Amino acid sequence: QSALAQPASVSGSPGQSITISCTGTSSDVGAYNYVSWYQHYPGKAPKLLIYEVSNRPSGVSNRFSGSKSGNTASLTISGLQAEDETDYYCSSYTSSRIQVFGTGTKVTVL
Amino acid sequence: EEQLVESGGGLVQPGGSLRLSCAGSGFTFSRDWMSWVRQAPGKGLEWVANIKQDGSEKYYVDSVKGRFTISRDNAKNSLFLQMNSLRAEDTALYYCARDGRGAALDLWGQGTTVTVS
Repeated sequence: QSALAQPASVSGSPGQSITISCTGTSSDVGAYNYVSWYQHYPGKAPKLLIYEVSNRPSGVSNRFSGSKSGNTASLTISGLQAEDETDYYCSSYTSSRIQVFGTGTKVTVL
Repeated sequence: EEQLVESGGGLVQPGGSLRLSCAGSGFTFSRDWMSWVRQAPGKGLEWVANIKQDGSEKYYVDSVKGRFTISRDNAKNSLFLQMNSLRAEDTALYYCARDGRGAALDLWGQGTTVTVS
């Protein structure tokens, strides 16, 4: 099972919106609405931002939103803030009944 | 407060074994699937294994099949990962996590470090 493909880095200025893509296959992202997104500060526990493609857990800012089209899911961060600068990962349930993470994207706030 | 705390990491020689533990508190541990996820130095997150509430179903990433065994003790609110035949590429920070809706991992521990050298 190969990792889902994410851009290595994405950057934006404060207040702007950025989008991170997550490309899989018809056996994972395209097969299920079980795509999640995580924010991860190195050395800390990852934090769930989005589950089931577009749902936000309680307490997560509405600046984070998710969507999916075909085999590609996306995370959009609106109103970019300095504190958003860190790593982001997508993950998907797969037809093999396991999960697979994306390759990870480093977000830089210019 | 819901919490997961991992322990058991350390330095082990190639071919050796290690058993990781994860203690859950603040939630009904027996109601949830549980997972292990790892992050090798300088690399991304990798899902390792998960286990059903009653332990009757277990799934593994191909790279650990036959070497790692996930288990749980609901009476002690604990999750385990028995790691045998360890390789240098198993060196990583190992997290335990709770499987929530849609297979999302909604609660994570702080991790325990395994070094195979």
